[in-house]
Amino acid sequence: DAGVTQSPTHLIKTRGQHVTLRCSPISGHKSVSWYQQVLGQGPQFIFQYYEKEERGRGNFPDRFSARQFPNYSSELNVNALLLGDSALYLCASSFGGYNEQFFGPGTRLTVL
Amino acid sequence: DQQVKQNSPSLSVQEGRISILNCDYTNSMFDYFLWYKKYPAEGPTFLISISSIKDKNEDGRFTVFLNKSAKHLSLHIVPSQPGDSAVYFCAASDPQGGSEKLVFGKGTKLTVNP
Repeated sequence: DAGVTQSPTHLIKTRGQHVTLRCSPISGHKSVSWYQQVLGQGPQFIFQYYEKEERGRGNFPDRFSARQFPNYSSELNVNALLLGDSALYLCASSFGGYNEQFFGPGTRLTVL
Repeated sequence: DQQVKQNSPSLSVQEGRISILNCDYTNSMFDYFLWYKKYPAEGPTFLISISSIKDKNEDGRFTVFLNKSAKHLSLHIVPSQPGDSAVYFCAASDPQGGSEKLVFGKGTKLTVNP
């Protein structure tokens, strides 16, 4: 079975631009969560979506938004990019109501 | 504030010996704890978990121990193998707000020497 997939793998943007990252969960999983990991830190929670509804939001500015589609895939959007947004963005999926989350390989975003 | 702390940035052990990775937490509302392993350029891989109502969970070479009174958990790997060399993250599930938010530590880099 395919695991969590994310696209693109790498992305380079300049300050002020916006970016859209995509995630496809494991088949049968209805919950998708997004995390940001900067160098030397653990992943930090950004959003969780379950059945297309936002279930939780971490301590991130309104420049960050997300949505989940009827097929349970998800997009993370970041507007007005800052240098500090450079990080690995991880998507994780789960059945929902279960604690084990399974992560994709991540999208490496570099903001110049 | 760091609610999940992994105070050892790195750990080096010999192949065949036991690896013990430690994790402390501050939030008594955490109800589930997980360990993930991460190789460079890959996403975290789920290893093992434990509910807050248990004190031990075992899966093959991996055992997680939870001491709720001390707000401490540990991951034991026996015997350690060179392929276990990776960064290990401790994570806690925060049920507040109804989400499945995971709170991660900063990780411990484990090196298993042949």
